[in-house]
Amino acid sequence: EPEVTQTPSHQVTQMGQEVILRCVPISNHLYFYWYRQILGQKVEFLVSFYNNEISEKSEIFDDQFSVERPDGSNFTLKIRSTKLEDSAMYFCASNPAGLRETQYFGPGTRLLVL
Amino acid sequence: AQTVTQSQPEMSVQEAETVTLSCTYDTSESDYYLFWYKQPPSRQMILVIRQEAYKQQNATENRFSVNFQKAAKSFSLKISDSQLGDAAMYFCAYRSGAGNNRKLIWGLGTSLAVNP
Repeated sequence: EPEVTQTPSHQVTQMGQEVILRCVPISNHLYFYWYRQILGQKVEFLVSFYNNEISEKSEIFDDQFSVERPDGSNFTLKIRSTKLEDSAMYFCASNPAGLRETQYFGPGTRLLVL
Repeated sequence: AQTVTQSQPEMSVQEAETVTLSCTYDTSESDYYLFWYKQPPSRQMILVIRQEAYKQQNATENRFSVNFQKAAKSFSLKISDSQLGDAAMYFCAYRSGAGNNRKLIWGLGTSLAVNP
């Protein structure tokens, strides 16, 4: 069964450094998402992406964040200058075309900013 | 704005017994979707079950079923014949059916322990 994959599974970085989190969505899916989950808190929507552009973003997704689909398979989240509060689990999700489709999640990347 | 509330931070159940996890939501929309996701210790987010608001029939998936009360804005998850592998965090989530708004709005989660 096809699944969403994410790399790396864990990332430790120093405050102020740039990080790139990578995701490979399910191949025939057209909508892509990033969510984050700070330990012990609610899962939060960051951004959705369709047709090579951002379709929606949350207040969290400020100028420090960017997303890209550099080729036909990868979907990346870049954090330009990490802060301590960016430490969280980052989930990528995708769903096929169609308003009634379900989002399928990757295993997550655990980011720790020191 | 839509909100999702899970009022039970922790629940426990004996193996083979039945447990019900509660979820309420607030929305002014008539077209939406509701989901239960399971997050085991690996922290992967796994879809358990989904419900379309326009469907009156409650969704079922094997041992998992929901009690969807649209007027009361309630969406509880029932797990029958609980197994040790059901131990996980369970999240209730809402998604609008309007336009291209597809983001999921999440509850805080319920941690389910299954006792042997």
